Amino acid sequence: TQLLEQSPQFLSIQEGENLTVYCNSSSVFSSLQWYRQEPGEGPVLLVTVVTGGEVKKLKRLTFQFGDARKDSSLHITAAQPGDTGLYLCAGGDNAGNMLTFGGGTRLMVKP
Amino acid sequence: GAGVSQSPSNKVTEKGKDVELRCDPISGHTALYWYRQSLGQGLEFLIYFQGNSAPDKSGLPSDRFSAERTGGSVSTLTIQRTQQEDSAVYLCASSLLRAQYFGPGTRLLVL
Repeated sequence: TQLLEQSPQFLSIQEGENLTVYCNSSSVFSSLQWYRQEPGEGPVLLVTVVTGGEVKKLKRLTFQFGDARKDSSLHITAAQPGDTGLYLCAGGDNAGNMLTFGGGTRLMVKP
Repeated sequence: GAGVSQSPSNKVTEKGKDVELRCDPISGHTALYWYRQSLGQGLEFLIYFQGNSAPDKSGLPSDRFSAERTGGSVSTLTIQRTQQEDSAVYLCASSLLRAQYFGPGTRLLVL
């Protein structure tokens, strides 16, 4: 069974601070996706990384896939209240069809 | 364009009753997934449909849970003889390639 562990589970920070969320596994994934979910809504895809060592930037968000494709990180620079939400990582199988989700990191950014 | 829609948005039922949850995927998406999410937690995979292939039911927690996908489009998740532990948000997602697009979910409360 493939498992993804996210840390921290909860994070409360002030506006303007930086933060990093981690997603770790003992299994190798063909791809790694990050989603953000707001209350009352379904998760929304932020990024997909597929190559070991890959780094993708989306405005103030930086995503990294580990060299061995077992772990990933999400770094947010100068967090804003609008970044508040549940961040989920998900590892993809070789066929690219099935995703294994981590337990999520609940982020609160206070103004 | 239209995203994934789910109905009802909220469902309150009594223990022992049957419930049906509906998912309308994005037109043209061949894959459809059902997940369950407990309050503020990650996503638990339930069942996966891909085209005309037999569904992957490996995530269904008990034989009280079943799902159908008619005509390769709309899907219904049925929970028979509901129990209080079935209370959760049930999310549906559809996919054409790797990214999954989620509906807003159905919040089920079993009293």
